[in-house]
Amino acid sequence: QKEVEQDPGPLSVPEGAIVSLNCTYSNSAFQYFMWYRQYSRKGPELLMYTYSSGNKEDGRFTAQVDKSSKYISLFIRDSQPSDSATYLCASGGGATNKLIFGTGTLLAVQP
Amino acid sequence: ETGVTQSPTHLIKTRGQQVTLRCSSQSGHNTVSWYQQALGQGPQFIFQYYREEENGRGNFPPRFSGLQFPNYSSELNVNALELDDSALYLCASSLAGKRTSGPYEQYFGPGTRLTVT
Repeated sequence: QKEVEQDPGPLSVPEGAIVSLNCTYSNSAFQYFMWYRQYSRKGPELLMYTYSSGNKEDGRFTAQVDKSSKYISLFIRDSQPSDSATYLCASGGGATNKLIFGTGTLLAVQP
Repeated sequence: ETGVTQSPTHLIKTRGQQVTLRCSSQSGHNTVSWYQQALGQGPQFIFQYYREEENGRGNFPPRFSGLQFPNYSSELNVNALELDDSALYLCASSLAGKRTSGPYEQYFGPGTRLTVT
């Protein structure tokens, strides 16, 4: 079992839709939860991070962590074609400083 | 504020050769992590450097080695290249000691795409 699991998609939505992206993780020591956006052939761009459980909102983006179910979510409101990219979740914590990434979900927002 | 830069952008090498990839960290950051991203996969942690010392290593063989310099820039060296080493190599910088997110708030460079033939 991978430490961080993510549905690779692809996910296709119409412009203006609410997008829900999800990951699960298995390591109870994880305390930091990150979301990155990666455009084709580019490096990942940090969108948001949360520490422990709870919600965090930044503009159209909301990150949510439920540590009891080991579930991580990213919601995108009023999605735009420019949001079309691969979204990577990552988790970290415990004895090392490394981030463990999911495989990424490919999102396409259709105009 | 200067972001993370990496060089070269692309590289083609032959199996068995050696390669050196370079990374300059974001200004104010003191920690550099290296990741390998195969096509269609998430980044895999190779190792991290803090204060010029290796500070954690992933499941990669010893032919993957690195350095960090006093200005916090870093190199990734790969010896005896194999076909499976073909990937996007990503460098990420962070600020160890930052109270909330510490070394996990990592900012990535654009990557070096390595092709081994």
